Amino acid sequence: QKEVEQDPGPLSVPEGAIVSLNCTYSNSAFQYFMWYRQYSRKGPELLMYTYSSGNKEDGRFTAQVDKSSKYISLFIRDSQPSDSATYLCAIGGSARQLTFGSGTQLTVLP
Amino acid sequence: EAGVVQSPRYKIIEKKQPVAFWCNPISGHNTLYWYLQNLGQGPELLIRYENEEAVDDSQLPKDRFSAERLKGVDSTLKIQPAELGDSAVYLCATSSDGRNEQFFGPGTRLTVL
Repeated sequence: QKEVEQDPGPLSVPEGAIVSLNCTYSNSAFQYFMWYRQYSRKGPELLMYTYSSGNKEDGRFTAQVDKSSKYISLFIRDSQPSDSATYLCAIGGSARQLTFGSGTQLTVLP
Repeated sequence: EAGVVQSPRYKIIEKKQPVAFWCNPISGHNTLYWYLQNLGQGPELLIRYENEEAVDDSQLPKDRFSAERLKGVDSTLKIQPAELGDSAVYLCATSSDGRNEQFFGPGTRLTVL
């Protein structure tokens, strides 16, 4: 079993839809939870991070962490074609020791 | 602020040849990471430097891979000899003290024929 599991998709949604992306992890000691976005042929860029259970909101993006279930989610409201990318969760015991999920490829259709 | 610079962006070599990748970090970033990313997978850490010291190289295949970070700034990752299975994107990332974010470069896409 991998330490971090992520549904690879691909996921295709119409513009304006709410998108839900998820990861599960196995190590209960993990306390850093991050979401990166990666456009084709680019390096990943950080979208959001948190180190506690609960929700964190930033514009159209909401990150949710449930430590009891070892489950994290990223929600995208009012999705736009520019949101089309691969979304990677990254989880670890510190911000410098992260394990990345395999990524979910998202396409938002205009 | 300039981002992480990597070169070359693309490299095609024959198997058993050597290859080297170069990374220039964001100014002032003392932590530098080299990751390997296979198609359809997330980045996997190869080595992490704190200044010029390699503090985590447990996933670096030391029989053929080597890395250095002279003077704690630029870094080079080398493969010798390259194998077909080394075809992947090699990403460099850097971070600064007190910040959680890792800033990634665009990567070097290696194809071994």
